[in-house]
Order: sequence, then C-alpha cells, then structure tokens
Amino acid sequence: GESVGLHLPTLSVQEGDNSIINCAYSNSASDYFIWYKQESGKGPQFIIDIRSNMDKRQGQRVTVLLNKTVKHLSLQIAATQPGDSAVYFCAENLAGGGADGLTFGKGTHLIIQP
Amino acid sequence: GAVVSQHPSRVICKSGTSVKIECRSLDFQATTMFWYRQFPKQSLMLMATSNEGSKATYEQGVEKDKFLINHASLTLSTLTVTSAHPEDSSFYICSARDRLTSGSSYEQYFGPGTRLTVT
Repeated sequence: GESVGLHLPTLSVQEGDNSIINCAYSNSASDYFIWYKQESGKGPQFIIDIRSNMDKRQGQRVTVLLNKTVKHLSLQIAATQPGDSAVYFCAENLAGGGADGLTFGKGTHLIIQP
Repeated sequence: GAVVSQHPSRVICKSGTSVKIECRSLDFQATTMFWYRQFPKQSLMLMATSNEGSKATYEQGVEKDKFLINHASLTLSTLTVTSAHPEDSSFYICSARDRLTSGSSYEQYFGPGTRLTVT
C-alpha cells in the first residue's frame, strides 16, 4: 500500500484564517518531502520542500514542519485566500539522490469559505 | 524557467487504438523524466521512470508492453498507451528533473497533464 497518507480528506477554513494540513508517512528511509497544490484539471504545483536533516522550513505564507520521530509532515498556510482553494498533496522521495519517482499521499481538499 | 509541457492536453480515442502523449522540458535538459497516472479524486501514482537513452523502469503492476515509454532526447519523453481500453481513461502527468541541478536538487517539475478518455 501507499507509504504516505493524510489525516483529513477535506478541510474547510474561513478566508483569512490559518490552515494546517497534515500528512503521515511510513518510510523512514525517505529523505526529501514536498508539498504540492493541485487545482482541478491541472498538474501539481510545487509549494515547498524540506529535507530530512531539517524540521522546519518557511516560505511565503507557508511553513512545512517535519517530525521524523512520529513520521509526520504538516503544511501551514497563513492568512488563507480564495486562491488557496485546491487539493494539497504531500509527497516523499526515498533516499537515493532524488533518482526515484515520488510517492504521493491521498490529498486534502482545502476549501476557503468567504 | 523550468517549464514542462505535455501534448495533447486532452485526447479521446476509441477502444483498441493507441495514443501517444508527449512530455517536453522547454527550457532545460532532463536526463530523467517520470510518468504518473491519476484517477478522479485520487492521488498521483508513479507508473515509470524514463531515462534518456535507456529503457524505462516500470513500477510494480504497470504493464510495460501496454505503456510504451521512449526518452530519445534530453527534452522529450513519450508515453504510448497501446490497445487502449476504457479503464485506461485517466489523467497522465509527467515530471522532469533538470540535468544541471539534479546533483544538488531533488526537485521535479511537473507538466500540466493529459486527460485521456477511451470510449
């Protein structure tokens, strides 16, 4: 089965609020993790990534947290906007210099309420 | 930079026919490209890894004789779905790694996807 999964299939938040999307992974050999945003009918769009030697990384309005002890990954989106509505996937890459394809989680549909 | 295109964006074919999908890296060279498949409301599943100048590596359960992959140049990989059936209807997405940065970066650049409908 899949080694990466998500806790919640749908997350609804008010515009302007912060959102947190969670992801559990099971492969302790994974050394690179990525969050993607996918809008309907489009390919995945890179949001932010993190390597296993880090536990936190920040971007513009987004933060990824990695907890290797419990194999947990989260994406925090600050001050959500209507354009943030999409499906969000976490993905992992097994150790090996990125030569492997990615294993994707099931996805969380983020809905921004006006 | 780092743009990946796919052609066609949508295709409808009849059962039993073959269809070819192209994946191109427009502004970089890619020694490695990946093909994923995504069914409605599901996640992306890796089908195969395509390496320039060599045979593709297929994931378990993916029939290599049905999904033919050719990576003949550093900017083009093709996926041919042979003898297509309605169950092959899906969203096919490719990604590519930049040859110049692949030693230090794990990032993959994704194409916009191709919607295949087999009638």
